[in-house]
Amino acid sequence: QSALTQPASVSGSPGQSITISCTGTSSDVGSYNLVSWYQQHPGKAPKLMIYEGNKRPSGVSTRFSGSKSGNTASLTISGLQAEDEADYYCCSYAGITTLIFGGGTKLTVL
Amino acid sequence: EVQLVESGGGLVQPGRSLRLSCAASDFTFDDYPMHWVRQAPGKGLEWVSGISWNSNTIGYADSVRGRFTISRDNAKNSLYLQMNSLRPEDTALYYCAKDSSTWYWGRFDCWGQGTLVTVSS
Repeated sequence: QSALTQPASVSGSPGQSITISCTGTSSDVGSYNLVSWYQQHPGKAPKLMIYEGNKRPSGVSTRFSGSKSGNTASLTISGLQAEDEADYYCCSYAGITTLIFGGGTKLTVL
Repeated sequence: EVQLVESGGGLVQPGRSLRLSCAASDFTFDDYPMHWVRQAPGKGLEWVSGISWNSNTIGYADSVRGRFTISRDNAKNSLYLQMNSLRPEDTALYYCAKDSSTWYWGRFDCWGQGTLVTVSS
């Protein structure tokens, strides 16, 4: 159960698009399109942003989108806004009774 | 509004035990799997344990298997985590999370605010 690999940090200017990668293995990300993404602001609980790879919960901005290629899932945020500055975590289903989080990515809006 | 409230955290010595609770409200508790997720100070999220709606399916991270036990009481709308043989590396904020997926695990659509567990002598 090794953590999924995410870049430690990414940055972008307001209005730009950024992509955060989440790399796993053929046993987790590669086997299932069941990656979820969470946004966490300092001192707050995480918030679900994407589930089942590319689905948005009600109320989440359409600026957030998810995708997958092979063993790597990605979260793209378009039209970057100051309020998007936060930590982002991916999480993959890895078979019954097993879930794995990524190490997290700190997004800075310049 | 869906609400999860954790309790039971505190300062405990290495090797001792602690029991966390999570009280759920404003949703049909016994319809959903539930999980514990922890976050060490300044670190990332780590899935700890999950339990199906009827307690028939239970899973643990390798780091806690054999020491922690998850359970739930649907009549009381409550989730529990019994933590034994605690280690300093178990120090973390422990979140209770509701899983809205029905055929797999991993769609955490509601989180509590967490309860802090500190393991230190």
